Amino acid sequence: VQLVQSGAEVKKPGESLRISCEGSGYSFTTYSIHWVRLLPGKGLEWMGTIDPSDSYTNYNPSFQGHVTFSTDKSVNTAYLHWSTLRASDTAMYYCAAGGPFFFDFWGHGTLVTVSS
Amino acid sequence: DIVLTQSPDTLSLSPGERATLACRASQSVNSGSLAWYQHKPGQAPRLLMYGPSSRATGIPDRFSGSGSGTDFTLTISSLDPEDFALYYCQQYASSPFTFGQGTRLEIK
Repeated sequence: VQLVQSGAEVKKPGESLRISCEGSGYSFTTYSIHWVRLLPGKGLEWMGTIDPSDSYTNYNPSFQGHVTFSTDKSVNTAYLHWSTLRASDTAMYYCAAGGPFFFDFWGHGTLVTVSS
Repeated sequence: DIVLTQSPDTLSLSPGERATLACRASQSVNSGSLAWYQHKPGQAPRLLMYGPSSRATGIPDRFSGSGSGTDFTLTISSLDPEDFALYYCQQYASSPFTFGQGTRLEIK
């Protein structure tokens, strides 16, 4: 199982962004995809999850309404989307695949920097 | 939300020594729904334990997990140089899932 995440991004506040996470080495609909944030100098935060088989989502209320999860099964890829970035979104973002509850496989992360 | 507090923040030990990392929850974690992860700088985090005493695939048996209710422990029986890293606990008993703040295991 391998999860390959898109490259680092530098954006301005108010801009939109979509980062990706491509799964390989397994059937993409087998595992849920979770998104986890690592803030500079802080610990890990679970943002939520999406089930690629039916697009069911479960958002952490702390992130609900600010981010959107989606998947495209035709290209085995999950996406994390912001319509309006804030400076406080500056962080490393990991995707992880696993069951509904914990995270068996992780990507290497996408660094997002939001600065004017 | 369930708050997880890990202790100590930093643990300084030598290779070959035994490491004991603690994770305390603000409320009972039902059915032992707790996992442990190892994270090294620049690498993807790695699942070590879940349930809380089941080892993930490929994890050496020097790693063990225990606990129930609000108190959980990750033990590394004899430290290998590759074990020095950051360790996080995570509860999945209730949503939103939460992580502890991490314990840094450093070489003494």
